[in-house]
Amino acid sequence: QTVVTQEPSFSVSPGGTVTLTCGLSSGSVSTNYYPSWYQQTPGQAPRTLIYSTNTRSSGVPDRFSGSILGNKAALTITGAQADDESDYYCVLYVGSGISVFGGGTKLTVL
Amino acid sequence: QVQLQESGPGLVKPSQTLSLTCTVSSGSISRGSYYWSWIRQPAGKGLEWIGRIYTSGSTNYNPSLKSRVTISVDTSKNQFSLKLSSVTAADTAVYYCARAAAGDATLDVWGKGTTVTVSS
Repeated sequence: QTVVTQEPSFSVSPGGTVTLTCGLSSGSVSTNYYPSWYQQTPGQAPRTLIYSTNTRSSGVPDRFSGSILGNKAALTITGAQADDESDYYCVLYVGSGISVFGGGTKLTVL
Repeated sequence: QVQLQESGPGLVKPSQTLSLTCTVSSGSISRGSYYWSWIRQPAGKGLEWIGRIYTSGSTNYNPSLKSRVTISVDTSKNQFSLKLSSVTAADTAVYYCARAAAGDATLDVWGKGTTVTVSS
């Protein structure tokens, strides 16, 4: 069973930069896993931020960017704003038609 | 822009089968290269991918749920459905339907979600 790992929580100051990561319990994440990132606020459905590693979804501000850093996928928020305080989930396509969510990162902006 | 709406019973008894439907509006479920997916989220916990179906009927399921899950599609009604059998309290969650791009599996359109509680 594939396990996708994310930091449980992270904190960033307003205007600061934060990088959230998405890894595998065994092995390295590459673009072949088509990493995508989703933002979720309480009581709302997830919103698609980034797909195929680094493509921003329509309407997503350019302060959100995706990349591969080392052996993990990464979501970087540059110039964090108060309304970026949310849960962030990554998804990896692990093959054979299967996608796996990471456990999510709770981002606090303070 | 395509929209998705989940519907179904909000309360299911233990050991019974949970059944949900997702209605696709403002677009045809058969148009384009998309998989139609189900995801769930227990209260206070993370998201879990359940499975997906292509309009051809081809399906893929989460291995941990595969023995209990069936996803089907009705193109004439522009709907797809989820059945989860032998439910327990652990299946209590918000259930989302979503559209996934065939090329990279991106979940690009989401329903608002529906809460299902498993209780006697």
